[in-house]
Amino acid sequence: GQQVMQIPQYQHVQEGEDFTTYCNSSTTLSNIQWYKQRPGGHPVFLIQLVKSGEVKKQKRLTFQFGEAKKNSSLHITATQTTDVGTYFCAGDANAGKSTFGDGTTLTVKP
Amino acid sequence: DTAVSQTPKYLVTQMGNDKSIKCEQNLGHDTMYWYKQDSKKFLKIMFSYNNKELIINETVPNRFSPKSPDKAHLNLHINSLELGDSAVYFCASSQAWSHQPQHFGDGTRLSIL
Repeated sequence: GQQVMQIPQYQHVQEGEDFTTYCNSSTTLSNIQWYKQRPGGHPVFLIQLVKSGEVKKQKRLTFQFGEAKKNSSLHITATQTTDVGTYFCAGDANAGKSTFGDGTTLTVKP
Repeated sequence: DTAVSQTPKYLVTQMGNDKSIKCEQNLGHDTMYWYKQDSKKFLKIMFSYNNKELIINETVPNRFSPKSPDKAHLNLHINSLELGDSAVYFCASSQAWSHQPQHFGDGTRLSIL
């Protein structure tokens, strides 16, 4: 079955440092979505990427979809304490079933 | 108004009991989901319904039975609760059954004593 692997599982950074989480799929994806879950909260949709090589930005967040549509990354520039949480990618290879990665939990030291 | 609402928010019960979690969405979405999130924060899909029809049924013990009376509601009934069922259960919905963002409820934290 489809597998979506996400690394690293945990990342601790000093406030102001950059952060990147990577998502790799065992199969070609039709699209990939990114979600953020704050501590004690629920996953919240951030963005969806559909095209090969697509790059989208949301303020300090940059999302990329690989050329082969099998990998993706989320990069945060100059992290802030409000960035803490767990970031999930979710890949859709078979219509109707998005497979979530295991998440990357980010902690930011002020 | 909350878009996806789950009740109860917390559920503490003993092993062997039967319990239900309710979910309602007011977004007019066609598809609804149940996820289980364990202590390591891994998010695993359990079931998905599209217009009241079951479309995804992952490897879940048959003690778990979903029910969708209409497309705005998806309930989860659990029989004979076990210690390993302790987790946070999230309901979610999406506009359609593929390529659409999912909107999650606040979760139900289930603790088995």
